[in-house]
Amino acid sequence: GAGVSQSPSNKVTEKGKDVELRCDPISGHTALYWYRQSLGQGLEFLIYFQGNSAPDKSGLPSDRFSAERTGGSVSTLTIQRTQQEDSAVYLCASSLDMTGAGYTFGSGTRLTVV
Amino acid sequence: AQSVTQPDIHITVSEGASLELRCNYSYGATPYLFWYVQSPGQGLQLLLKYFSGDTLVQGIKGFEAEFKRSQSSFNLRKPSVHWSDAAEYFCAVGGYGGSQGNLIFGKGTKLSVKP
Repeated sequence: GAGVSQSPSNKVTEKGKDVELRCDPISGHTALYWYRQSLGQGLEFLIYFQGNSAPDKSGLPSDRFSAERTGGSVSTLTIQRTQQEDSAVYLCASSLDMTGAGYTFGSGTRLTVV
Repeated sequence: AQSVTQPDIHITVSEGASLELRCNYSYGATPYLFWYVQSPGQGLQLLLKYFSGDTLVQGIKGFEAEFKRSQSSFNLRKPSVHWSDAAEYFCAVGGYGGSQGNLIFGKGTKLSVKP
């Protein structure tokens, strides 16, 4: 598509439930990134996919967080047993990584854990 | 460790006044540098980027930024601010290992514009 698409745009879930957040990157972009933006904070890196390489998971805050990218395109970020501190905006971005072109961000998924 | 510092959390300027948003970074090599803008309820939009060449870069919406290696800075400027520039601005650095990689973002500077 023309831009990075994220769904859902808003998600309210009960503490302890699992959630899945979806990201559809720009066609042809080899790199895909997930970031988390908490209220009043900057962007916290979560995970990075580049082509067929093993993902860089160094930013995942706990083993409750996981992500996959199928067919080098769509990515799903899964949070298991959600906690209130997981409430944040989850941003996905894609890029042509090697060119220093910067990211194109999606509009994000606002997750609220109640 | 790589880091980005935006020392000003919130800045208020009058419409038509000039603007400078500060960004300092800590990085072991020549980085890729970016400025993004985030309007309320929106995703982030790339304003401009630098990774080589002329140290003064021009971006969209009349913004420019200057890379100063000696000061490890990449400050964002605009000569005359418009009310629509009210937003949050994020500086970011990347480039470890020669590719862009995952970017490290500053905590942002919120810009308010007085009429």
